[in-house]
Amino acid sequence: NAGVTQTPKFQVLKTGQSMTLQCAQDMNHEYMSWYRQDPGMGLRLIHYSVGAGITDQGEVPNGYNVSRSTTEDFPLRLLSAAPSQTSVYFCAVRAVQTQTQYFGPGTRLLVL
Amino acid sequence: AQSVTQLGSHVSVSEGALVLLRCNYSSSVPPYLFWYVQYPNQGLQLLLKYTSAATLVKGINGFEAEFKKSETSFHLTKPSAHMSDAAEYFCAVSGANFNKFYFGSGTKLNVKP
Repeated sequence: NAGVTQTPKFQVLKTGQSMTLQCAQDMNHEYMSWYRQDPGMGLRLIHYSVGAGITDQGEVPNGYNVSRSTTEDFPLRLLSAAPSQTSVYFCAVRAVQTQTQYFGPGTRLLVL
Repeated sequence: AQSVTQLGSHVSVSEGALVLLRCNYSSSVPPYLFWYVQYPNQGLQLLLKYTSAATLVKGINGFEAEFKKSETSFHLTKPSAHMSDAAEYFCAVSGANFNKFYFGSGTKLNVKP
């Protein structure tokens, strides 16, 4: 029972490159979300999903795309990476009827 | 609109001393409040949560927080700090649907021997 997994753990991109950050869960929870963490700014919500086929924007959605085709997976896509997207990215999941979020271990992204 | 302000980006206490981490919130709806802890190179872990039941909430590792509506505060306390408490702590607020969580900027707790 892995809980929430994120891959890769660390990635270096050049400006303009694209990539997908993976998030997978085996908890069968409906709600999944992506946050970015920057020094002195806490965590900011990028996108979230309340179930397969349903996604919505958070505080800082620009430059990121998401889709949710299955309960288990919620990938985050950067279509054209920019240095401002250098950050640590966390995926979180929770059951709809609870308030407790479970966070993945994070992906460190460096955009040069 | 909802937001959280954490006073003090760094707090240093001696082992055995009282820990007090401050959190003030702003919310146009009845708030649900949370404290999370983050150890180095790890994700966030829930410490405790206030969801409109008892105003004094007890969490894991001996931490507790009190919801004070008149002061719009949800400060985190622990009577006696332990070296293992050294970490970064985040306060967060959410509305009733819990779809969006708004986090504070975090407070790094240092515990001196």
